Amino acid sequence: DGGITQSPKYLFRKEGQNVTLSCEQNLNHDAMYWYRQDPGQGLRLIYYSQIVNDFQKGDIAEGYSVSREKKESFPLTVTSAQKNPTAFYLCASSIKASYGYTFGSGTRLTVV
Amino acid sequence: GEDVEQSLFLSVREGDSSVINCTYTDSSSTYLYWYKQEPGAGLQLLTYIFSNMDMKQDQRLTVLLNKKDKHLSLRIADTQTGDSAIYFCAEYPTNTGFQKLVFGTGTRLLVSP
Repeated sequence: DGGITQSPKYLFRKEGQNVTLSCEQNLNHDAMYWYRQDPGQGLRLIYYSQIVNDFQKGDIAEGYSVSREKKESFPLTVTSAQKNPTAFYLCASSIKASYGYTFGSGTRLTVV
Repeated sequence: GEDVEQSLFLSVREGDSSVINCTYTDSSSTYLYWYKQEPGAGLQLLTYIFSNMDMKQDQRLTVLLNKKDKHLSLRIADTQTGDSAIYFCAEYPTNTGFQKLVFGTGTRLLVSP
């Protein structure tokens, strides 16, 4: 079955450490997206990528980095520069935005 | 500009109808969507409507679109406890450089027995 997989589901890190969240899709979608979700704030776009080796900052890119070396993969690194990294992170992909997005099941990151 | 607004919370009793409302500001949006998010999970596409339609019905779900007022609603008939979730509306504005969806803040629906 085709889908989009995020791992791990839960992640704990100490303050000051970088951490990488995995997002893999086998839907042959060109575009991929990373969102952050905080209670009562909806979804905020961190980064998005239209094609391999290309990505753009979203609304809240500071303290985050991404890479898009393969069509199937779009990992997100939460760096120590991100002041409030504890959140629920969602990855999505689309073959074309107008068709809607397919979302992964999310990674809950807790920084202690 | 891009802005999608929803009320934060809705509480209904099992068996009643639920109506979740959304307003958007970008008149260029050609598609509008409703997504459902269950606790601790990702978002699941429930339904969508093209901007040239006024209504779309899919089993218990009815979507109404008022383009003049830029208002979108989702009606869930015979609401069940399993419908308790956060519901997001989203628009697809076509006047931006890279087309991407703009999501609302989400409405938390609580269905009580």
